[in-house]
Amino acid sequence: TQLLEQSPQFLSIQEGENLTVYCNSSSVFSSLQWYRQEPGEGPVLLVTVVTGGEVKKLKRLTFQFGDARKDSSLHITAAQPGDTGLYLCAGATGGTSYGKLTFGQGTILTVHP
Amino acid sequence: GAVVSQHPSRVICKSGTSVKIECRSLDFQATTMFWYRQFPKQSLMLMATSNEGSKATYEQGVEKDKFLINHASLTLSTLTVTSAHPEDSSFYICSARDRASNQPQHFGDGTRLSIL
Repeated sequence: TQLLEQSPQFLSIQEGENLTVYCNSSSVFSSLQWYRQEPGEGPVLLVTVVTGGEVKKLKRLTFQFGDARKDSSLHITAAQPGDTGLYLCAGATGGTSYGKLTFGQGTILTVHP
Repeated sequence: GAVVSQHPSRVICKSGTSVKIECRSLDFQATTMFWYRQFPKQSLMLMATSNEGSKATYEQGVEKDKFLINHASLTLSTLTVTSAHPEDSSFYICSARDRASNQPQHFGDGTRLSIL
């Protein structure tokens, strides 16, 4: 069974602060996705990283995939109240980049104005 | 963009009732669909992989007789929670992969199931 350890589980910060969320595993994933989920809705894909060492930026969000494709991080610069939500990392297995997903435990982010 | 529709969005019913949840891919064909369960403030837990035209593959610890999955067409998978009890109350989410493109799974908006 592949496990994906996500931390921290809860994060409560003030508007303008920076934060980083980590996902770590002892297993190699063919790709890793980051999602954001609002209460009562399904997860929405933020980004997919596929290549070891890859860095992707989405406005104030920076995503990094570890060289060995076992870990990933999400960094948010100057967080805003609109960033509040549940952030999930998910690693894909099964021989394809977008096969069966293993989800991390999730990070509940609250950004206070 | 690709859309996955899940219905109903909310169900409240009495203990012992069987509940069917539908997951449809609206503008693409999905050979594979996935069913997840999510408890409040927790992550998604994969229950089963639904394969069109064949039996579903269940994750360890998920009762296949309790959670019946049918994937009879390339655009529809159903999850039936049989003889539901209060402990089955949860948020159920489906996702689907477009078989024609190498794209990530698209998620439905989930079904909130409450068993009284």
